[in-house]
Amino acid sequence: AQSVTQPDIHITVSEGASLELRCNYSYGATPYLFWYVQSPGQGLQLLLKYFSGDTLVQGIKGFEAEFKRSQSSFNLRKPSVHWSDAAEYFCAANFGNEKLTFGTGTRLTIIP
Amino acid sequence: GAGVSQSPRYKVAKRGQDVALRCDPISGHVSLFWYQQALGQGPEFLTYFQNEAQLDKSGLPSDRFFAERPEGSVSTLKIQRTQQEDSAVYLCASSLERNSPLHFGNGTRLTVT
Repeated sequence: AQSVTQPDIHITVSEGASLELRCNYSYGATPYLFWYVQSPGQGLQLLLKYFSGDTLVQGIKGFEAEFKRSQSSFNLRKPSVHWSDAAEYFCAANFGNEKLTFGTGTRLTIIP
Repeated sequence: GAGVSQSPRYKVAKRGQDVALRCDPISGHVSLFWYQQALGQGPEFLTYFQNEAQLDKSGLPSDRFFAERPEGSVSTLKIQRTQQEDSAVYLCASSLERNSPLHFGNGTRLTVT
């Protein structure tokens, strides 16, 4: 079955530390992959996307993600987090049927 | 504004009432999606329009849920005889064309008491 898995429900990092949020998918081919961020009471904002080509993609707010076909993964990274990065992060995939399938999300807490 | 607009922002309904949720997509966006986001969960697909045609409604949880987009722009999600399990945030998203990134509205939080 086609699915997106985010294994970490909640991650806490110190301000200025590096961040990696994990995402895995289950699909027989390479889907279109996305990372979205959601602040409380807000809709989802697109951080970055991967369709094809270079497996390291750059996004907004200093985020990047790396697609690894061998691991069916699309992990999100940031070298140095800021307090304003505290939010819920969703990985999503388009499995060729127009709609997005989302993971369950990872809540990011930043401590001073 | 230039973004996806949803109204109302909050809706409280008594169990058994009908509700209607509105979505104004970005002008010119062909595709429109509705998602349901339960507390602490990721968004779950409900239905999808391309212009006025509803191409996929496989995610609608029951026949109490109905969506329309009669002129290919504004869309309404209607829920009849609301139940407590319908309590969630309903997100609308639009995209310029097939497989373009989705732009989301801020959602309507529905609480059924």
